[in-house]
Amino acid sequence: AQSVAQPEDQVNVAEGNPLTVKCTYSVSGNPYLFWYVQYPNRGLQFLLKYITGDNLVKGSYGFEAEFNKSQTSFHLKKPSALVSDSALYFCAVRDINSNYQLIWGAGTKLIIKP
Amino acid sequence: DTAVSQTPKYLVTQMGNDKSIKCEQNLGHDTMYWYKQDSKKFLKIMFSYNNKELIINETVPNRFSPKSPDKAHLNLHINSLELGDSAVYFCASSQDLGEEQFFGPGTRLTVL
Repeated sequence: AQSVAQPEDQVNVAEGNPLTVKCTYSVSGNPYLFWYVQYPNRGLQFLLKYITGDNLVKGSYGFEAEFNKSQTSFHLKKPSALVSDSALYFCAVRDINSNYQLIWGAGTKLIIKP
Repeated sequence: DTAVSQTPKYLVTQMGNDKSIKCEQNLGHDTMYWYKQDSKKFLKIMFSYNNKELIINETVPNRFSPKSPDKAHLNLHINSLELGDSAVYFCASSQDLGEEQFFGPGTRLTVL
């Protein structure tokens, strides 16, 4: 079965430190992977996606994600965290067996402390 | 210009009532979606429309019915509202199925 896992409910990082939000997936075929961010009381915003090519994908707001096929992971990263990065982050994978709908992770709350 | 808009932003109503939520996108996308986000922030796909054809209909009660008058609009009608319907409902659109999605601001539905 296709699935996405975000193993951490919450990640706490000090401002200025690097951050990582983890995501692992299980799909048949080549994965299309996405990261979205949700700020409080707002809709989700697309950050970045991996389809093919370079394993390091760069996205909005200085975020990047590293695709690792052998570990079936797609972790979100940022070299230096900002307080304004505090939000809920969702990983998603496209399911080609179900009309290409996105399978969503449960979300990870990222808290950046000053 | 707001890419994906929803109205109303808040909706408070009594159990048993019928209500609608409207969604419009001005991105020229071919696919639109409705999601339900519960109090634990889990996202559940409810419906998607691709070129006005219903593509996905998950295990959603038939009290919920999507209506798409044209490619730019996908409205959600809910009959006989129940307490468990209280949630935030998001509309989204994408150029095609499986592409990155653009979300509306959400409609917070509270059923009393």
